[in-house]
Amino acid sequence: DSGVTQTPKHLITATGQRVTLRCSPRSGDLSVYWYQQSLDQGLQFLIQYYNGEERAKGNILERFSAQQFPDLHSELNLSSLELGDSALYFCASSAHAGSGDEQFFGPGTRLTVL
Amino acid sequence: AQKVTQAQTEISVVEKEDVTLDCVYETRDTTYYLFWYKQPPSGELVFLIRRNSFDEQNEISGRYSWNFQKSTSSFNFTITASQVVDSAVYFCALIKINQAGTALIFGKGTTLSVSS
Repeated sequence: DSGVTQTPKHLITATGQRVTLRCSPRSGDLSVYWYQQSLDQGLQFLIQYYNGEERAKGNILERFSAQQFPDLHSELNLSSLELGDSALYFCASSAHAGSGDEQFFGPGTRLTVL
Repeated sequence: AQKVTQAQTEISVVEKEDVTLDCVYETRDTTYYLFWYKQPPSGELVFLIRRNSFDEQNEISGRYSWNFQKSTSSFNFTITASQVVDSAVYFCALIKINQAGTALIFGKGTTLSVSS
């Protein structure tokens, strides 16, 4: 158990809908990262937050947004969902922001868009 | 641009065989970190090792060992006396660091199947 929690574990929804994925980092970690794992794109970095501020951005679509709250949990919002958004979404956490800390991953949320 | 290449898509071995998973990386940074993660069939990503660019010493942890060679930009992972429980997808990753934040750049992964 990495100490990172993600809810829900599975999510099934329809095209055009909006969903929110939630992540709680390990105790003491200030950085939260979101990654998407799909069969065609592999594991891709989406976005990083550190203590409530956005710090790094990857290949995140404009339809996707994230935030980190004062209690350090983070939410990833996916809107106008398309079939191609079906994937496993991971949250990870680390102690610091711009360093080589290992990132510990949550169990993931499997999103299925029908 | 930073990139990680895992040329072996799938490897199949029989229990007790040794197996090496290859990882080649590209970066222009002088300071960087390399990682290996394991993804078992249950789906979670398990951290295995981190290595920084200034430490080329090989690392051994039980049946696992890692060989880091800057001259060939490789960070290979060897499992000795493989077991069925080692069956998983293994990812090599490079961390991209700027002043603001970091991101892991993953290879495509190598699927290891160990049969009894």
